[in-house]
Amino acid sequence: DVKVTQSSRYLVKRTGEKVFLECVQDMDHENMFWYRQDPGLGLRLIYFSYDVKMKEKGDIPEGYSVSREKKERFSLILESASTNQTSMYLCASTKTASGANVLTFGAGSRLTVL
Amino acid sequence: SQELEQSPQSLIVQEGKNLTINCTSSKTLYGLYWYKQKYGEGLIFLMMLQKGGEEKSHEKITAKLDEKKQQSSLHITASQPSHAGIYLCGADRSGANNLFFGTGTRLTVIP
Repeated sequence: DVKVTQSSRYLVKRTGEKVFLECVQDMDHENMFWYRQDPGLGLRLIYFSYDVKMKEKGDIPEGYSVSREKKERFSLILESASTNQTSMYLCASTKTASGANVLTFGAGSRLTVL
Repeated sequence: SQELEQSPQSLIVQEGKNLTINCTSSKTLYGLYWYKQKYGEGLIFLMMLQKGGEEKSHEKITAKLDEKKQQSSLHITASQPSHAGIYLCGADRSGANNLFFGTGTRLTVIP
């Protein structure tokens, strides 16, 4: 069964810590995305990548960076976590030539920053 | 900027009742996607609509896109507790290969 795997379902970090959220897909998808989900705000796009070593800013990139060293892996990095980054983080992927942007999502990583 | 407005924000229905969730855009939609999210989990793809007037059904869920391609509705017939969750509409971002989403509708089905 094809899927997107987010390595950590729940994390608790302290303000100022560096946080890595890992996402791996086994579908040979070119495109990968990081969204965050907050009550009342829905899903907001943080960063996305169309190919290895490529990255594009989404709607709310401030305070985040990403890494795409291999096609199947897309990492979200919080260089210095802050309490306003407490959120649910969702990774997704899709194939470029599919003709439609049907995203496949991971189960999510719920991050709490104290 | 492009935005999707969903209504209602939350909905509580008795099991067996029908319900409708709406998703409205101020601009023409190129592709409209419906997802369902169980509480605390990822999103599951339900249906995609691309053509004005298009309608798709899967089991007891029907999604429609109006002729102007600015509004979509998701209709559930004879709701069941398994339908409970958050329903989100997403749309193709103009000129980009990604989606933007509405704020979601939280559905509770009372047995």
